Amino acid sequence: KAGVTQTPRYLIKTRGQQVTLSCSPISGHRSVSWYQQTPGQGLQFLFEYFSETQRNKGNFPGRFSGRQFSNSRSEMNVSTLELGDSALYLCASSWGTGDYSPLHFGNGTRLTVT
Amino acid sequence: LAKTTQPISMDSYEGQEVNITCSHNNIATNDYITWYQQFPSQGPRFIIQGYKTKVTNEVASLFIPADRKSSTLSLPRVSLSDTAVYYCLVVTGSSGNTGKLIFGQGTTLQVKP
Repeated sequence: KAGVTQTPRYLIKTRGQQVTLSCSPISGHRSVSWYQQTPGQGLQFLFEYFSETQRNKGNFPGRFSGRQFSNSRSEMNVSTLELGDSALYLCASSWGTGDYSPLHFGNGTRLTVT
Repeated sequence: LAKTTQPISMDSYEGQEVNITCSHNNIATNDYITWYQQFPSQGPRFIIQGYKTKVTNEVASLFIPADRKSSTLSLPRVSLSDTAVYYCLVVTGSSGNTGKLIFGQGTTLQVKP
């Protein structure tokens, strides 16, 4: 069974631009969550989607948004990029939400903002 | 969500058993303890999950005492490829866990030859 796929793997953008990252979950998984990882802050939760609905949101500004499609694939968008948005963005999928099912992570998109 | 505390780093040698302890003093009745492993530039990988006593799978064992205020991840006979960051998390089921997991700083395990 294919794992979680994130595209693109690497991305370089300029401050002020916007970016869209994509995540394809494991087949059958309906929950997709996003995390930002930086050396200084570690892994921080961005938001979670289940059945196309946002279920939970972390403490990030409104420039960070996401959505989930009917096939469970998800995208996250960051508008008006800032230098501090440079990070590894990780997507994770699981069977359900509100349960103990473990998260399966992709290998992330490395975003560099210059 | 219960806060966890684990050592920042640990060193070991190939072939040794490594035990990483995590404390979670305010764990709730329906919380589970879960461990993830992360290699550089990769996403975390689920290792093991347990509620109480002992859980074992093909890669690790998890020991949880009766009071559940701590847990110990045991890696038997580590190799260089086990060098990674290990995260201990408390996962709340039912209405609590909606994919929002709190990863602390983790324990960086360095395995030396």
